[in-house]
Amino acid sequence: GENVEQHPSTLSVQEGDSAVIKCTYSDSASNYFPWYKQELGKGPQLIIDIRSNVGEKKDQRIAVTLNKTAKHFSLHITETQPEDSAVYFCAATASDDYKLSFGAGTTVTVRA
Amino acid sequence: SAVISQKPSRDICQRGTSLTIQCQVDSQVTMMFWYRQQPGQSLTLIATANQGSEATYESGFVIDKFPISRPNLTFSTLTVSNMSPEDSSIYLCSVTPTGTVNTEAFFGQGTRLTVV
Repeated sequence: GENVEQHPSTLSVQEGDSAVIKCTYSDSASNYFPWYKQELGKGPQLIIDIRSNVGEKKDQRIAVTLNKTAKHFSLHITETQPEDSAVYFCAATASDDYKLSFGAGTTVTVRA
Repeated sequence: SAVISQKPSRDICQRGTSLTIQCQVDSQVTMMFWYRQQPGQSLTLIATANQGSEATYESGFVIDKFPISRPNLTFSTLTVSNMSPEDSSIYLCSVTPTGTVNTEAFFGQGTRLTVV
C-alpha cells in the first residue's frame, strides 16, 4: 500500500516568513495529492491539491509543487500570518479508489 | 464542496459500551469513508462505507468492532463496539461528492470520543 512520509514534524516561523513542508510517497500509481489544514478541535480542511499531470499549483499565498519522478511534493506558504498556525497534513491517493493515505502531520506555529 | 454534519461532536463513554456516530451530508456523494485520528496522530482509514452493501474494511479493522451502515447516498453510521480506553480517538467522516473530477475529499468536524 501507499506510504507517505512528511517532514518536518514541527515548524516555527516568524510572521511574514515562508514555510515549506515536504512529503514523499511510495506508490507510483498515486496521482492525486491534497493538503489539509487542521485547527484545534476541528476536522481537516482541504486547502489545495495537485494532480500528477501538473507540476505546480498556486492559490494566493499557498502553492504546491510535485516531482513525480522523485515521488515528492511540497507545500509552500508565503507571507505567513498567525492564522496559518495549525497542523498540516499531506495525503496521496490513486484516483480509482479514492482512499487517502496521510502523512504524519506538521505542526506550524507562526510567531507574531 | 459538501456540508457534512457529524453527531455527536463529542462523548465520554464507559468501557464495554457502544457508541454510534452519525454522518449526514447535504448532497448525494459518491464515496463515504470513516477515519480514526488517535490523540496527536495522523488519520487512518477504517473503512469505505458502501451504499446498500457491507462496508470495505482496511487492514486492522473488523466489522464486529466497527460496524458501518450506509442506507442511502447522504447518510452513514459508524458504531464503535465494546469500547476500551484504546478506542479514545477522533472519528471522522469523509465524503467525495458526486461528479467530483479531482477526487476531492471533505471531512466532517469529527466526533471526539473518550472511553473511561
